[in-house]
Amino acid sequence: DAKTTQPPSMDCAEGRAANLPCNHSTISGNEYVYWYRQIHSQGPQYIIHGLKNNETNEMASLIITEDRKSSTLILPHATLRDTAVYYCIVRVMEYGNKLVFGAGTILRVKS
Amino acid sequence: EAGVAQSPRYKIIEKRQSVAFWCNPISGHATLYWYQQILGQGPKLLIQFQNNGVVDDSQLPKDRFSAERLKGVDSTLKIQPAKLEDSAVYLCASSLGDSSGYEQYFGPGTRLTVT
Repeated sequence: DAKTTQPPSMDCAEGRAANLPCNHSTISGNEYVYWYRQIHSQGPQYIIHGLKNNETNEMASLIITEDRKSSTLILPHATLRDTAVYYCIVRVMEYGNKLVFGAGTILRVKS
Repeated sequence: EAGVAQSPRYKIIEKRQSVAFWCNPISGHATLYWYQQILGQGPKLLIQFQNNGVVDDSQLPKDRFSAERLKGVDSTLKIQPAKLEDSAVYLCASSLGDSSGYEQYFGPGTRLTVT
């Protein structure tokens, strides 16, 4: 079962930062937070992951609270192509590489 | 680098018929996954292969679903007989290895409609 809670949908203006929240209050010490997104009619795409420090790559930034019970994915300058379903996943660090997806957040970027 | 290939992209069948989906993973990827995604939900793992061996098939409805990965490369997923509730997108993914440090790359999926 998914161990995260995300809002079902969010809107963002084009060019503005999109901040997508995720609650994972039961996260264990060895579990990472992963973010994937799924654009319409495509398979999910990896965005970023982190354990406890904030992370940044060319796509996004990930901010994890000090108690690790929640995190925020930040798309700094959202474009229309960022319209997608965003999934926050808590990864079990064990043999198997299993991904357990919840319903995710539908992000609509509007011009 | 070529991505994960899947075919067909779309399939419409009647209930009780059989259907097969094909997946070609990224070259060199030892781990292959099949996911089922019902409309409005996130993908659900059906089966995971490491080379040609099954790592996890706990969510696979084995009375009607089967999958194989001969020679540790391509894979096929079969449904026989299909039910209405099997209507979904079937996603194939691959990764270099089966530990959680390896990113999964997904194909475009096959959309199955059972009437």
